[in-house]
Amino acid sequence: SYELTQPPSVSVSPGQTASITCSGDELGEKYVCWYQQKAGQSPVLVIYQDDKRPSGIPERFSGSNSGNTATLTISGTQAMDEADYYCQAWDSGTAVFGAGTKVTVL
Amino acid sequence: QLQLQESGPGMVMPSETLSLTCSVSGGSISSSGYYWGWFRQPPGKGLEWIGSIYYSGSADYNPSVKSRVSISVDTSKNQFYLRLGSVTAADTAVYFCASAYDSTGYYSPWGQGTLITVSS
Repeated sequence: SYELTQPPSVSVSPGQTASITCSGDELGEKYVCWYQQKAGQSPVLVIYQDDKRPSGIPERFSGSNSGNTATLTISGTQAMDEADYYCQAWDSGTAVFGAGTKVTVL
Repeated sequence: QLQLQESGPGMVMPSETLSLTCSVSGGSISSSGYYWGWFRQPPGKGLEWIGSIYYSGSADYNPSVKSRVSISVDTSKNQFYLRLGSVTAADTAVYFCASAYDSTGYYSPWGQGTLITVSS
C-alpha cells in the first residue's frame, strides 16, 4: 500500500519559517493537500492541489510538490499556527494520509 | 455555508456494529460532483480515510476496513451513514465526516467529530 512519510515534529521560533515535508513514491505525480488540526478540533484544509490556498487561509501558508516530496511552508510563523499538520494524497482510489507533523512554536 | 454534524451512540460493545449518521446542512447532499466521506482518528494517532459515497449511492472503501464497512446515503434526509461491523477495541476513535468536490478531491469542511469507544 502507498505510504506518505512526515517528520514527527518540527520546532520553530515565532516569526521564522517552518517547513514540513511529506514524502512518497512519485508523489509529484499526484495532487497533495494539507490539513491543520489544533488540539481537540477537527482538521482544517490549508492547502489543496499542491499549492492552492482555500479562502480564509492566511498567505503565510504555501505549498509545493515535486519529485517524491511535497512541502508545506509556514512563513512568519505565529503562535496560533501550533498544531498537527497532515498531508494527504490519493492512490488507486484510496485517500492516504501521512502520520502527521506536530509543529511547536517556541 | 456547508456544515456537517456527526451523531452516534458513544459506546459500542465488542463484536457489534457501529452505526453513525452525518447530517448535512447549508447545502444539498445531492449536489453534483460532491462526495461525502468518513474518517477516523484513534486517540493520540493520525487520520484514516474509511470511505466515501456519492449521492447516487456509489461508494468506495479503504481496503483496510472494506470487509466490515458500509456507507449509505439518504437524500431525502440530507444524511449519510457509516456502519462498521465486528468492532474491536482497535476501532475506538473519533469519527469524522467531511465533504469533497470530486471523487479524489480534498475534504472541506469537516464535522466536529464524535468519539466512539468500543468496550464491554
